[in-house]
Amino acid sequence: QVQLVQSGAEVKKPGSSVKVSCKASGGTFSSYAISWVRQAPGQGLEWMGGIIPIFGTANYAQKFQGRVTITTDESTSTAYMELSSLRSEDTAVYYCASGNYYDSSGYPLFDYWGQGTLVTVSS
Amino acid sequence: EIVMTQSPATLSVSPGERATLSCRASQSVSSNLAWYQQKPGQAPRLLIYGASTRATGIPARFSGSGSGTEFTLTISSLQSEDFAVYYCQQYNNWYTFGQGTKLEIK
Repeated sequence: QVQLVQSGAEVKKPGSSVKVSCKASGGTFSSYAISWVRQAPGQGLEWMGGIIPIFGTANYAQKFQGRVTITTDESTSTAYMELSSLRSEDTAVYYCASGNYYDSSGYPLFDYWGQGTLVTVSS
Repeated sequence: EIVMTQSPATLSVSPGERATLSCRASQSVSSNLAWYQQKPGQAPRLLIYGASTRATGIPARFSGSGSGTEFTLTISSLQSEDFAVYYCQQYNNWYTFGQGTKLEIK
């Protein structure tokens, strides 16, 4: 059973950056696909980007291109999501997610979720 | 980028009745469509993948159908624990979520 544990809540100023971590356990980290999903207060789920090991590199949603960077550190089994040029609209709970391959699509689904990290952007 | 549109935004149904939720993709996603359930304060839970296959442990009252651009999640005989927000997600080209349908008690 994969477990994902995220770093704690953050309060940031507009224009700054935030880096959220997601430590994985319970499996082989090098085989994990990790995505980051955010949820603004009272709003829906928004996929930001992810890394799938068989693809090799991270892919980002158009909306976040140029502002988000997703990285992994195999030595610590930790994934990171860094979001720059923060604005108030980035206030949200940020989740990391991972899961199993269920079919031949090449994309794993999201069986496992971190507990979420609240990022508040406020002056 | 594939856009997923769910309808309705809110659905009011009485316990014991059937609920039908819709999801439309802006282009074909084949059968690479999943449904998730989210309750307040919790992370989402995978319900359906491949448009129609229930994930492990999901009750048989949940069923999914569709392919291409039109998909449906049906919950027969609603139980109290089913009132939540439901999201569709395409995974044909990376991922996109729909905006969600809130299923509330009538």
